[in-house]
Amino acid sequence: ETGVTQSPTHLIKTRGQQVTLRCSSQSGHNTVSWYQQALGQGPQFIFQYYREEENGRGNFPPRFSGLQFPNYSSELNVNALELDDSALYLCASTREAEETQYFGPGTRLLVL
Amino acid sequence: KQEVTQIPAALSVPEGENLVLNCSFTDSAIYNLQWFRQDPGKGLTSLLLIQSSQREQTSGRLNASLDKSSGRSTLYIAASQPGDSATYLCAALGGSQGNLIFGKGTKLSVKP
Repeated sequence: ETGVTQSPTHLIKTRGQQVTLRCSSQSGHNTVSWYQQALGQGPQFIFQYYREEENGRGNFPPRFSGLQFPNYSSELNVNALELDDSALYLCASTREAEETQYFGPGTRLLVL
Repeated sequence: KQEVTQIPAALSVPEGENLVLNCSFTDSAIYNLQWFRQDPGKGLTSLLLIQSSQREQTSGRLNASLDKSSGRSTLYIAASQPGDSATYLCAALGGSQGNLIFGKGTKLSVKP
């Protein structure tokens, strides 16, 4: 158990819709990162938030956006869903001044 | 740009065998190298983290080594068990954004 939870566990959407995925971290974990893992691939970095500010972003378009809240929860929002957005979305949190990332169980998104 | 490669992509061994999983990375400027386990459809479980200044880390039957100069890391699993069956991912932490860069993983199957 990593203490990181994600909701929902599974989600089905249609192309063009919008989706919000949620992550809840442990107290004191003020850095959260989001990753996208397509089937058979390693996770790809989407973005990272530190103390409610985005402080790093991978090669993902602006329709992928996020928020981090003071209560150590965070959101990943994806607008205008495309078929290729179908993947497992993972969040990972890190305690201040540490390097170990604790991953949640993921949300599996299917876009039809 | 950092690239992480894992060989082999899949491995099947009989129970009790010792085995080695390989990971290579192109940029030696990493903060650490981490090994994760992923069960089907699940999130990531951290196994071992090797700091850039370290050569190896051990946890139970697992031993991970790091050779920054050659851009390689290995995960050694002793006396493999069917419960070790999973996908093993290595990830390098580095770059300006401090994000993990993952390989595609090695899918391990340990036969009883």
